[in-house]
Parts: sequence; C-alpha cells; structure tokens
Amino acid sequence: GAVVSQHPSWVICKSGTSVKIECRSLDFQATTMFWYRQFPKQSLMLMATSNEGSKATYEQGVEKDKFLINHASLTLSTLTVTSAHPEDSSFYICSAPQGLQETQYFGPGTRLLVL
Amino acid sequence: QKEVEQDPGPLSVPEGAIVSLNCTYSNSAFQYFMWYRQYSRKGPELLMYTYSSGNKEDGRFTAQVDKSSKYISLFIRDSQPSDSATYLCAMKTTGTASKLTFGTGTRLQVTL
Repeated sequence: GAVVSQHPSWVICKSGTSVKIECRSLDFQATTMFWYRQFPKQSLMLMATSNEGSKATYEQGVEKDKFLINHASLTLSTLTVTSAHPEDSSFYICSAPQGLQETQYFGPGTRLLVL
Repeated sequence: QKEVEQDPGPLSVPEGAIVSLNCTYSNSAFQYFMWYRQYSRKGPELLMYTYSSGNKEDGRFTAQVDKSSKYISLFIRDSQPSDSATYLCAMKTTGTASKLTFGTGTRLQVTL
C-alpha cells in the first residue's frame, strides 16, 4: 500500500505557541489530503480537507484561523495549530487518497500536548 | 441517528477464535466500504476495501457487504493476540476524493 508519513510524531509545547505538523505522501502524489483529530477511545473526527493549490475546506465547527492548513505541493500538506491551548492536546492524523478508487492511506499520527 | 453505527466493545475472545465485527449504516449512497485496524497511539492501517455488495477474502480476513440490509462485516479467523486493536469501519460515496464516514470503532482483545 501507499505510504504516508507525519512529522513530528509527538510534540510538547507551551500554551500560546504555534505548532506545525507535516504530512507527506512518500510514493505517490496527492492533490487532496485530509486532517483528522482523535481523542482517547474515540473515533476519528475530520477537521478539514487540504487541497493542493487552493484553500482548505473546513468541517463545521473547526476554526479556520486556529488550524491553518497549507498544501504547498503534491506530496506535502501542513497543519499549524496557532496559539495552542491545553484543549488542543490531541492526536492529529492525516490521510491521502491514492489510486483509481482513491483509497485513503493514513499517516502514523502526531501526538500534541499543550502545557 | 448516526450515519454509521458500530458497537464500541470491548470484545474479548480467546486465541484461535473467529471474530465477527459489524457495522450498520443509513446512507444508501455509500458504495465503498473499508475496514481499518488501529493500534494504540498509531494511525489506522487499511485492512480490507470492498466495492458494493459481496465478499472479499485476504488471508485470515473476510469482509462482507450486504447493501440491501445496509450491513457490513469483518471476520477474523484463527485470531491472534497481535490482532488486539481497534477496528474501524469506514464508508464513502462515489466522487473525487470523497470523505470517509467512520464508525466509532470496536476494541478487540485476543487473549492467550
């Protein structure tokens, strides 16, 4: 299957700082990538759809100014959590569709802890 | 009512047992059905991918889709302790890079 990587795998930051998470498709190109958030023992919650060369599409209730998404190339999307607060602590996962049927492959996730 | 319903478990079975995991859904537009396995603190890993109704087998895993009943299943034969994980069903409609709709996930524990 296709490989999607994320960096960093975990990050600890102080409240009020910004954190950038990278999502890369390693062996295929992706014009679209998806960003999810997952709380302990819960399912994945879609935050936004990242579109290469255009603005991201955010799900209802997700603050655009807080979660900045940039899809700079066909293999890289970034999620920046701006002015992070403890309630932003979560597991962030990206995915990218690949192939004719656009099967979604997930990255390993990034664990964010805001102190 | 959620679009996709999945029993969260936990489901505990002895090693070697046959495991049956299920999801029901309400949106008849779903055409693609997937099962992902997620280990603790890891991203989901694609296990099975099926289109429309029917069965698909891959090693110890069998996926079934019954669109008339809006019901999908994943069977795991000869379960192993390494199968202990959360299993997420996911579905999507046709269309370019259409979004996935997930079940809540079922936690499976295979005991020695």
